[in-house]
Amino acid sequence: GQQLNQSPQSMFIQEGEDVSMNCTSSSIFNTWLWYKQDPGEGPVLLIALYKAGELTSNGRLTAQFGITRKDSFLNISASIPSDVGIYFCAGQESSGTYKYIFGTGTRLKVLA
Amino acid sequence: EAQVTQNPRYLITVTGKKLTVTCSQNMNHEYMSWYRQDPGLGLRQIYYSMNVEVTDKGDVPEGYKVSRKEKRNFPLILESPSPNQTSLYFCASRTRGALGYTFGSGTRLTVV
Repeated sequence: GQQLNQSPQSMFIQEGEDVSMNCTSSSIFNTWLWYKQDPGEGPVLLIALYKAGELTSNGRLTAQFGITRKDSFLNISASIPSDVGIYFCAGQESSGTYKYIFGTGTRLKVLA
Repeated sequence: EAQVTQNPRYLITVTGKKLTVTCSQNMNHEYMSWYRQDPGLGLRQIYYSMNVEVTDKGDVPEGYKVSRKEKRNFPLILESPSPNQTSLYFCASRTRGALGYTFGSGTRLTVV
């Protein structure tokens, strides 16, 4: 089955730094979602993007729906230790299935 | 509290011994889905259900069965588990029009 290419796979950053990660696909998606998974828990939805070019913020998080509808990025500003976890992108297929395809994840570790 | 509940959280079993992982949601959601999470592969969909008695295969259905006899429950059945089914499993649910799934806390399965 299809998977989204997410990069980087993992990153270590210093507390206070900004973080950027992205997700790309060969297919067009109707919707992009960004999830965060804390250690030992299930993924939790952070941001949902509805249309091409859309830029949406949620606190220190900002995400954009790529204009080609084949990519998305997530930025985290002024990172803090509780930002540690795995970040997943997910795209909703534009075909009739409306199925969600998940990325491979970006593991973020924040050094205090 | 609105939630998706999976049981058990941890399970170690032997090859070939049938097992069931239960999933229940209290949000009256139509859609339910099972995912497995493996390092470097992200979340891959096993089976999904769009409503009672309506189920369909996801990307990695081999070796799994599901049933949806009631709206709130969506058990995952492994008739003859094998070591390659060792993984972290997530159940998730959403309403028909919602963006994104609500995930359970996960079941870590080890097959020896």
